Amino acid sequence: GAGVSQTPSNKVTEKGKYVELRCDPISGHTALYWYRQSLGQGPEFLIYFQGTGAADDSGLPNDRFFAVRPEGSVSTLKIQRTERGDSAVYLCASSLQGLEAFFGQGTRLTVV
Amino acid sequence: QKEVEQNSGPLSVPEGAIASLNCTYSDRVSQSFFWYRQYSGKSPELIMSIYSNGDKEDGRFTAQLNKASQYVSLLIRDSQPSDSATYLCAVGNSGNTPLVFGKGTRLSVIA
Repeated sequence: GAGVSQTPSNKVTEKGKYVELRCDPISGHTALYWYRQSLGQGPEFLIYFQGTGAADDSGLPNDRFFAVRPEGSVSTLKIQRTERGDSAVYLCASSLQGLEAFFGQGTRLTVV
Repeated sequence: QKEVEQNSGPLSVPEGAIASLNCTYSDRVSQSFFWYRQYSGKSPELIMSIYSNGDKEDGRFTAQLNKASQYVSLLIRDSQPSDSATYLCAVGNSGNTPLVFGKGTRLSVIA
């Protein structure tokens, strides 16, 4: 595709529910990143994929968060038992060979 | 812990002036440096990348890198009200590590 596409744009969920956030990177980009951004803060790293494998998942805050990229393209970020503190904008970015990264429009997650 | 520090601002400059945004980083082996612009409610947009010491110019934007001082800056010449946004500095090690972002500097260009 022309750019990084994230769906949904907005997601409101109840505390305790499970959510999936999807990212479709720029075609041909091998590296894919998930970040989380709260109001007034810079993007906070969550997980990085190089191809199908998670090259670095050190930013995942706890075991409720999990991400996959089974075919080396689309990625899904999964959050179990959501908490109000998970509310943020979840950003996905992709890059070619891990250099300049381009972001999608983000998914605004609100846990009520 | 790799850190990227930016003054949160707001930095206010009059229209037509030069805006100077600064960033310092803690990881001495960092090799790649980026500036992103983020409008309110939007996602970050890449505007400049720099990999070697010195200046890199692109239109009204100039990125400056000093690895010895672990310092990177962004100059915006002839600032316009449309430049009002938050500017994020991002630093990377190699192509196989994720970027670390600063908290951003909010720039306000006054007409």
